[in-house]
Amino acid sequence: EDKVVQSPLSLVVHEGDTVTLNCSYEVTNFRSLLWYKQEKKAPTFLFMLTSSGIEKKSGRLSSILDKKELFSILNITATQTGDSAVYLCAGGKAAGNKLTFGGGTRVLVKP
Amino acid sequence: ETGVTQTPRHLVMGMTNKKSLKCEQHLGHNAMYWYKQSAKKPLELMFVYSLEERVENNSVPSRFSPECPNSSHLFLHLHTLQPEDSALYLCASSPTGPRHYGYTFGSGTRLTVV
Repeated sequence: EDKVVQSPLSLVVHEGDTVTLNCSYEVTNFRSLLWYKQEKKAPTFLFMLTSSGIEKKSGRLSSILDKKELFSILNITATQTGDSAVYLCAGGKAAGNKLTFGGGTRVLVKP
Repeated sequence: ETGVTQTPRHLVMGMTNKKSLKCEQHLGHNAMYWYKQSAKKPLELMFVYSLEERVENNSVPSRFSPECPNSSHLFLHLHTLQPEDSALYLCASSPTGPRHYGYTFGSGTRLTVV
């Protein structure tokens, strides 16, 4: 059975801090690792990673995939209160469209 | 708005009621999904439709019945639910094809069963 595990479950930081979120996966016929941000209801897409060792960046967010060790990290630098959300990671297969989600990491950024 | 619209946003229903959740997308996607999100649990895949054909049913109880009349619309029919079915129900859509694509999610329906 496919499994995605995220850590930590939650964390509280102050504005300006840097956070690192972890995601480990066991997905048969793995193809891609995706990160989503969920603030209230609809998760919104952040990154899709398919190649090992290539960092993807979007503003203050960046992510990298290690296909040998089966994990990914999401970094947020210079955090702002608007970064407060649940961050979800998901593993996708090479065939079909099914995503397996982790339990999420709840990030609270205090002013 | 994400391009995937779910209605209603909130629903309270008794255990003997019958109700339906609706999902609509105009992104040109050919795959649609229902996920259940309960407190402190990962998103659970319920159903997958690809090109209007159900391709996955993750051992969901029969009190949940999906319907996909066309590639833009997806329904989840509910009847004789239990209190433990209270959750956020998220619909998502994606393109189909040999590569995996990320989903676009709707805002969800917050369901409370009383």
